[in-house]
Amino acid sequence: DAGVIQSPRHEVTEMGQEVTLRCKPISGHDYLFWYRQTMMRGLELLIYFNNNVPIDDSGMPEDRFSAKMPNASFSTLKIQPSEPRDSAVYFCASRPDSTYNEQFFGPGTRLTVL
Amino acid sequence: AQSVSQHNHHVILSEAASLELGCNYSYGGTVNLFWYVQYPGQHLQLLLKYFSGDPLVKGIKGFEAEFIKSKFSFNLRKPSVQWSDTAEYFCAVSNFGNEKLTFGTGTRLTIIP
Repeated sequence: DAGVIQSPRHEVTEMGQEVTLRCKPISGHDYLFWYRQTMMRGLELLIYFNNNVPIDDSGMPEDRFSAKMPNASFSTLKIQPSEPRDSAVYFCASRPDSTYNEQFFGPGTRLTVL
Repeated sequence: AQSVSQHNHHVILSEAASLELGCNYSYGGTVNLFWYVQYPGQHLQLLLKYFSGDPLVKGIKGFEAEFIKSKFSFNLRKPSVQWSDTAEYFCAVSNFGNEKLTFGTGTRLTIIP
């Protein structure tokens, strides 16, 4: 099993540009989570999906952030327009089903907004 | 809402020293408890987890944790640390029936050879 796959691993962009982060969960997993990690706030849950449906997006910081999961094997997190304070490591995680509570994390995308 | 406290922000130990990292959570219902480790430049990996049963849980790489319900705690221990244990350690809690994990702010562990 390849595990959770994220791309790109590193992204450097300029303020105002659109940024799209991608995630492929582990095959067969029903849940997908997006997290943001910063020095100041630690690891924060942004949004999660169950069977491709967004369940809780209360952690999404503002309207500039959006996430989609068009199918069971792909999700995107988009920031438009990006700002320097969005610089962070963004992790995607997946989980098999509602009876198994462990989450499996991807390698993360390190985003730098100049 | 659930919250998780890790009071030790940065711990520095010499090799072979014993380790205990504190973790306390706020909500007193049925919980699932986790410790994750993040080695430098890598993603989070599960060290151990507690769902039910024996409150003393053994994980990978010689780590263990004890769930003390009366203290809302799930402290991580290792009797003798190695240089390779240098990493950041995160405690996480989920309320039973809730898919969300709440993470602590992490404890950075530095092992001096």
